[in-house]
Amino acid sequence: EAGVTQFPSHSVIEKGQTVTLRCDPISGHDNLYWYRRVMGKEIKFLLHFVKESKQDESGMPNNRFLAERTGGTYSTLKVQPAELEDSGVYFCASSQDRSSGRDTQYFGPGTRLTVL
Amino acid sequence: AQSVAQPEDQVNVAEGNPLTVKCTYSVSGNPYLFWYVQYPNRGLQFLLKYITGDNLVKGSYGFEAEFNKSQTSFHLKKPSALVSDSALYFCAVRDFISSGSARQLTFGSGTQLTVLP
Repeated sequence: EAGVTQFPSHSVIEKGQTVTLRCDPISGHDNLYWYRRVMGKEIKFLLHFVKESKQDESGMPNNRFLAERTGGTYSTLKVQPAELEDSGVYFCASSQDRSSGRDTQYFGPGTRLTVL
Repeated sequence: AQSVAQPEDQVNVAEGNPLTVKCTYSVSGNPYLFWYVQYPNRGLQFLLKYITGDNLVKGSYGFEAEFNKSQTSFHLKKPSALVSDSALYFCAVRDFISSGSARQLTFGSGTQLTVLP
């Protein structure tokens, strides 16, 4: 079974440009999450999809970040315009169980974003 | 609000010796607790979790963790460390009582484990 995949693995852009990150969850997983780790600090939650619906976007830092999951399969996270403080590693995770909350989140390899 | 503390940024241990990576947590209700490991240039890999039941949880690669409710701790342990265990370890918690639709994990800042040959 394929794990969570993310593309690209690295992205280097200039301040003010736009970047789109993609995440493909494990097949059959309804739950999809975005997290990020900035400046080697804690991994912070950004948002949670259940299928195509945004269940919780309380961690999104500002309106420069837009996440979508059309069709309930893969998800994209767009940063527009990018700022220096957006640099970090963006992780995607997916999980299967919609009801109990005991499910394990499986993470992808992350996208390392560098904003110059 | 939920929080996790990993008090040690770095842990060094000799190969063959036991290792412990510390984690304490704070939640309003009952915790779901997780350990993840990140090897160099790799993603976060699930090691083990505590949901309910036996306080000693066994996971991948010979790791185990003990849930201690009175001390609000969930330390990761291994009886005999290997050089290949060298990696970045993250503890995470989810608060059951405040779950509802909220599924987010709260992570600690990570502990870099180095096993010396």
